Amino acid sequence: EPEVTQTPSHQVTQMGQEVILRCVPISNHLYFYWYRQILGQKVEFLVSFYNNEISEKSEIFDDQFSVERPDGSNFTLKIRSTKLEDSAMYFCASSELRGDGQPQHFGDGTRLSIL
Amino acid sequence: QQQVKQSPQSLIVQKGGIPIINCAYENTAFDYFPWYQQFPGKGPALLIAIRPDVSEKKEGRFTISFNKSAKQFSLHIMDSQPGDSATYFCAALNNNAGNMLTFGGGTRLMVKP
Repeated sequence: EPEVTQTPSHQVTQMGQEVILRCVPISNHLYFYWYRQILGQKVEFLVSFYNNEISEKSEIFDDQFSVERPDGSNFTLKIRSTKLEDSAMYFCASSELRGDGQPQHFGDGTRLSIL
Repeated sequence: QQQVKQSPQSLIVQKGGIPIINCAYENTAFDYFPWYQQFPGKGPALLIAIRPDVSEKKEGRFTISFNKSAKQFSLHIMDSQPGDSATYFCAALNNNAGNMLTFGGGTRLMVKP
């Protein structure tokens, strides 16, 4: 069964540094998402992406964050200047289409630790 | 109003028991309610989902009950097994507001042998 793959599985970065989290969505999927999960808390939506542009974003997704689909297979989340509170599990997801009945498939996440 | 409240936070049942996880929402614009199962070190995986025009949906040992007037829905796991031990998240989506899933806080389920 096709799956969403994320790299690296664990990223340790100094506060203030830039970090790029990478994802390879399922190949025929058109919608891409980033969510995050701070340890012990709920999964929170960050951003959705379709047709090479952001379709919606949450309040969390401020100017420090950006997303990009640099080629036909990768989808990246960049945090420009990391803060301690950015430490979390970051999940990439993709769906074939939008709306209900179009399940979002999640990767296994990247654990981001900011020191 | 965007919140989805989930209870309990943790649940322990014996093998064969029927754990019940409850969720409540405020936003009546939500029109799709999936449940996700998450094992340690893995991402959430879609388990079962329901639309508000249906009061119950069964898939295998998993059943969602939906009460539209009360704005509540619940997950029942029949004949629970130790392999069902995981964290379960309810979620909600408003189709007219895009693809953003709003998750509940999660329930950590342990099924004892």
